[in-house]
Amino acid sequence: EAQVTQNPRYLITVTGKKLTVTCSQNMNHEYMSWYRQDPGLGLRQIYYSMNVEVTDKGDVPEGYKVSRKEKRNFPLILESPSPNQTSLYFCASSRGRSGANVLTFGAGSRLTVL
Amino acid sequence: GESVGLHLPTLSVQEGDNSIINCAYSNSASDYFIWYKQESGKGPQFIIDIRSNMDKRQGQRVTVLLNKTVKHLSLQIAATQPGDSAVYFCAEKGNMRFGAGTRLTVKP
Repeated sequence: EAQVTQNPRYLITVTGKKLTVTCSQNMNHEYMSWYRQDPGLGLRQIYYSMNVEVTDKGDVPEGYKVSRKEKRNFPLILESPSPNQTSLYFCASSRGRSGANVLTFGAGSRLTVL
Repeated sequence: GESVGLHLPTLSVQEGDNSIINCAYSNSASDYFIWYKQESGKGPQFIIDIRSNMDKRQGQRVTVLLNKTVKHLSLQIAATQPGDSAVYFCAEKGNMRFGAGTRLTVKP
């Protein structure tokens, strides 16, 4: 089944404790992206990647890092989480960024930073 | 700056009625739009898309209308069902920007 898999789905952590949210897709998609979703603000893009070793900042990149060492994986790294990073996070992928580029989303990762 | 936004944060309709969800965009160069549906506890899923060379596109019970003059698009759901209850997002080409979403609630 074609899908985007995120882990963990739920996580409660404390301020300053580094964490990584993994994202993997099995569709050989070039484009991958991370979003955070907060009440009233919709989906805001954190980082995106158009291919292996190519990453770019989205609208809200502060406090986050990403890497794209392999085509299928795009982990989101919070080096020193803070309470304002408490949010619902979605990873998504698509065949490309131009033309017909419907995103396939993961099921989401709900992160709470105390 | 550029934005994609929705007119109303919530919409409540009676089961069987038609629903209309609106979306405004500011980038006149946008040439491709996508509607997503997000059910509770899930990620957004593709519903329907439309290119700027079209005014209307129909799917199964859903229709998207595009008015480039006023930079507005709408999603119409015919005979709304309880399973249509969700948050709906519009997105422009590149999928970089989404509106805040409209929460559709279907009353039995």
